[in-house]
Amino acid sequence: GEDVEQSLFLSVREGDSSVINCTYTDSSSTYLYWYKQEPGAGLQLLTYIFSNMDMKQDQRLTVLLNKKDKHLSLRIADTQTGDSAIYFCAEIVTGGFKTIFGAGTRLFVKA
Amino acid sequence: DAGVIQSPRHEVTEMGQEVTLRCKPISGHDYLFWYRQTMMRGLELLIYFNNNVPIDDSGMPEDRFSAKMPNASFSTLKIQPSEPRDSAVYFCASDLRSGNTIYFGEGSWLTVV
Repeated sequence: GEDVEQSLFLSVREGDSSVINCTYTDSSSTYLYWYKQEPGAGLQLLTYIFSNMDMKQDQRLTVLLNKKDKHLSLRIADTQTGDSAIYFCAEIVTGGFKTIFGAGTRLFVKA
Repeated sequence: DAGVIQSPRHEVTEMGQEVTLRCKPISGHDYLFWYRQTMMRGLELLIYFNNNVPIDDSGMPEDRFSAKMPNASFSTLKIQPSEPRDSAVYFCASDLRSGNTIYFGEGSWLTVV
């Protein structure tokens, strides 16, 4: 069935790199997304990757996609306290009409 | 653009009362989604519309929940009667073409006591 799985918590020290991992189920997903949710706010699109790409870099963010293993990761370089939030992995399921979200990974950044 | 606008931002109501949550999608977006977020179940898709027509309501928990979209700029999610287990954050989101980028509202924080 449709499922996106993520670990629930990650704690890092300020200045270190954070790596948030996700596995998804639909091998035909065309887009895979990372959303960020700050306390008391809605989800905001952080970055996305098209399924024919292996990697995408955007400033401090690097997205890696392993289609064979259906594994997506988000790396945040030089993690700052302002990066503390919940990060959601999401995929578009077959048919392109539904976006399925993971449970979210809560990132704690220690000063 | 003002983004997706939801109201109320916070609501506290007593069990058994009717709750109506409102959403104004981004102008021009033809998909509208209602999500519910809880600690236990994460983010769940309740229902989505395309061009004001409900396409998939399989996520609606039970008959106490209903959603309407009378026009392209307005949607409601109604719970009647409300129960304490309905306490959650309800997000509305819209999309210009599904499969692209979903834009979320700030959420309606519902507490049923």
